[in-house]
Amino acid sequence: AQSVAQPEDQVNVAEGNPLTVKCTYSVSGNPYLFWYVQYPNRGLQFLLKYITGDNLVKGSYGFEAEFNKSQTSFHLKKPSALVSDSALYFCAVRPTMDSNYQLIWGAGTKLIIKP
Amino acid sequence: DGGITQSPKYLFRKEGQNVTLSCEQNLNHDAMYWYRQDPGQGLRLIYYSQIVNDFQKGDIAEGYSVSREKKESFPLTVTSAQKNPTAFYLCASSTLTSGNINEQFFGPGTRLTVL
Repeated sequence: AQSVAQPEDQVNVAEGNPLTVKCTYSVSGNPYLFWYVQYPNRGLQFLLKYITGDNLVKGSYGFEAEFNKSQTSFHLKKPSALVSDSALYFCAVRPTMDSNYQLIWGAGTKLIIKP
Repeated sequence: DGGITQSPKYLFRKEGQNVTLSCEQNLNHDAMYWYRQDPGQGLRLIYYSQIVNDFQKGDIAEGYSVSREKKESFPLTVTSAQKNPTAFYLCASSTLTSGNINEQFFGPGTRLTVL
């Protein structure tokens, strides 16, 4: 079965330190990859996506993500964390072999940035 | 402002009642989606629609119904057949291009509680 895994339920980082939120996937073909952020009691906001090309994708709020085909991973990164980055982060995958345009979602990772 | 609106923000339902959640978008997007979000889980797709007067079941459609009479509107009815409806409901929309690699835009969500 096709799936997306976010292996960490929660990630704690000190403000100013680099952060990484991990995402791995198991889908057929070459997928399209997305990261979204959700603040408490709010809808999701799009951060960035990988379609093709450069493996390092830059997105909103200083976030970037690195696509690694051999490891089937798409980890979200930021060089210097802010307290305001504290939120719930979701990785999603769109299998290119799938014709119904659905996204497969990870369970989410809660990111806590401590001052 | 352009975007997706959902109403109400909070909704309380008694056992045996049907309730309808509203979702409206002014982004001129062709596709609209309804997701359910439970704690510790990723988003689960309930229904989606790619064109007016047509919609498809997602992974957890049982106990839910939708309509798409207008491009801008995609209301979700939670019926009494849905045994565990307490959840956070998210509506999203996206453009449709070949391969549908466009990100989804989300509304602010409706929190439904069964009393």
